[in-house]
Amino acid sequence: LAKTTQPISMDSYEGQEVNITCSHNNIATNDYITWYQQFPSQGPRFIIQGYKTKVTNEVASLFIPADRKSSTLSLPRVSLSDTAVYYCLVVIYNQGGKLIFGQGTELSVKP
Amino acid sequence: DVKVTQSSRYLVKRTGEKVFLECVQDMDHENMFWYRQDPGLGLRLIYFSYDVKMKEKGDIPEGYSVSREKKERFSLILESASTNQTSMYLCASTTLTGGASEEQYFGPGTRLTVT
Repeated sequence: LAKTTQPISMDSYEGQEVNITCSHNNIATNDYITWYQQFPSQGPRFIIQGYKTKVTNEVASLFIPADRKSSTLSLPRVSLSDTAVYYCLVVIYNQGGKLIFGQGTELSVKP
Repeated sequence: DVKVTQSSRYLVKRTGEKVFLECVQDMDHENMFWYRQDPGLGLRLIYFSYDVKMKEKGDIPEGYSVSREKKERFSLILESASTNQTSMYLCASTTLTGGASEEQYFGPGTRLTVT
């Protein structure tokens, strides 16, 4: 399974756009890139998943360049409630959902 | 909404006790997972199950066993609890759709303390 590397922590202010970059140099052809969010004392929650180019939903956007060796999670206009740990994962397509979580990025949003 | 529930939010047990952690999901999901989460180590997969009575070892199965007698229920068992099993335990489930998204739904977690 492909290993991911992302910053340990990031700080931001309310209303700013936050971009968290993840590298996954040995991603395989059938792998998907997935991001989860975890608040303290809760289980992780799925945010977004993509294979290539750009994916957008009501929460975030995910940018994946052509070589797929990295990806960027973009959170538009963050608020205090976006303070959480964000995990970047590489998921093997149709392999029963087995996930390998890295350390994640602890995002702190300040007023 | 998918719901994954865990039997306890907080649990305190003594060394050597047998501990059962129960997880129930209400979405008819085939796959269920048990993770533990520790500071500095992130989430690590203990066991998972693709179907009733089926189980597979994850990355750290030592000291644990599991049981899946019904599709909706996945139990994690600590045969003889030890202090190094003090941790947050998270259960998750997902459906085997064969599609692109295999989002895992997590329960709220059980914080287990072994004294």
